[in-house]
Amino acid sequence: DAGVIQSPRHEVTEMGQEVTLRCKPISGHDYLFWYRQTMMRGLELLIYFNNNVPIDDSGMPEDRFSAKMPNASFSTLKIQPSEPRDSAVYFCASRGTGGSYGYTFGSGTRLTVV
Amino acid sequence: GENVEQHPSTLSVQEGDSAVIKCTYSDSASNYFPWYKQELGKGPQLIIDIRSNVGEKKDQRIAVTLNKTAKHFSLHITETQPEDSAVYFCAATPTSYDKVIFGPGTSLSVIP
Repeated sequence: DAGVIQSPRHEVTEMGQEVTLRCKPISGHDYLFWYRQTMMRGLELLIYFNNNVPIDDSGMPEDRFSAKMPNASFSTLKIQPSEPRDSAVYFCASRGTGGSYGYTFGSGTRLTVV
Repeated sequence: GENVEQHPSTLSVQEGDSAVIKCTYSDSASNYFPWYKQELGKGPQLIIDIRSNVGEKKDQRIAVTLNKTAKHFSLHITETQPEDSAVYFCAATPTSYDKVIFGPGTSLSVIP
């Protein structure tokens, strides 16, 4: 398996623009998580899905953030409109229900909003 | 909700020495404690985990210990090597096993 695949790896956008981050989880994994990493706040859980259904979105900072999982192999995190304080590395991770409870993380998307 | 603290925030050791990272958690119901290693430019990677019915677990040069009474758990790396240099995160999971709450991380530097 190629692991969790995120795109793009880097994104630079202007304040006010819409940003869409993409994630393809490991095949067969039924949990998907979106995390944000900054120096100040560390790794923050934004939202997670189980079987494509959002379970907990209490970490989503504002209504400007939204996430979808239309099928088992694809998820998006959208920020509209983007602001400079959204600059961070965004990670997607997936996990199965059998065996280990550990997550497999993608390589992340480094977002810079100028 | 769960809160995980981690110490030290930075750690520098000579190659071949041991490194110890300590964490505490707040939710006594937490029962799964993974450790992740994050190398520069990469996502965190699971290196070892422990469940609450086990006090200690070892995998080659890495070991974790858990004290549920004190709500402490620790990562021990022996015979450190330069490739062990990375940021290490401890984490705790409430009973649902659904989501993981991460500590703030420890930046480990192994000096050749």
